[in-house]
Amino acid sequence: AQSVTQLDSHVSVSEGTPVLLRCNYSSSYSPSLFWYVQHPNKGLQLLLKYTSAATLVKGINGFEAEFKKSETSFHLTKPSAHMSDAAEYFCVVSDNQAGTALIFGKGTTLSVSS
Amino acid sequence: GAGVSQSPRYKVAKRGQDVALRCDPISGHVSLFWYQQALGQGPEFLTYFQNEAQLDKSGLPSDRFFAERPEGSVSTLKIQRTQQEDSAVYLCASSPLAGGGNTGELFFGEGSRLTVL
Repeated sequence: AQSVTQLDSHVSVSEGTPVLLRCNYSSSYSPSLFWYVQHPNKGLQLLLKYTSAATLVKGINGFEAEFKKSETSFHLTKPSAHMSDAAEYFCVVSDNQAGTALIFGKGTTLSVSS
Repeated sequence: GAGVSQSPRYKVAKRGQDVALRCDPISGHVSLFWYQQALGQGPEFLTYFQNEAQLDKSGLPSDRFFAERPEGSVSTLKIQRTQQEDSAVYLCASSPLAGGGNTGELFFGEGSRLTVL
């Protein structure tokens, strides 16, 4: 069975500093991995996805993530945080089996201070 | 807009009441998912439809939960005899692709927040 573990429930950064949100996954198959963002009172939005192509994936709003099979990790990074990045971030795994849903981590709350 | 629409956005029910939550997916989307998101937690899978067929209902927590998508478009999640532990945000998501986990990007609605007193 597949699962994801988000290693930090809350991350605080200053505006303009780098962001690192950590995620480890477990999957019996070759997984697809995603990061979704949830702003308050808004629907979940896809940031980026890895589907066995390039291991370094670029997403929207300057975010990127690197798939490391040896470490079973898919950490999310951004070089410089903006105030608008403050939100809840979810790491998500799918094992690519037909009929299988996406499995979400518990989420990391990102706070950005000025 | 043409996004996923859910109604009602907020629902307060007394324990024991039945509730129905509606999801209007993006037109033409084949796949439809329901998720339950408890406070401070990530969404948890409830059920999956491909068109009108309910292919996976393994996440439904009890037989009080029932979902349908009779014409392969609008879906309704029904909870009978609500309990306090049913309080959560219920999220609907759709995708133009079939195949469950192979659908890649899911388009989520804003959710229906259910509070059971």
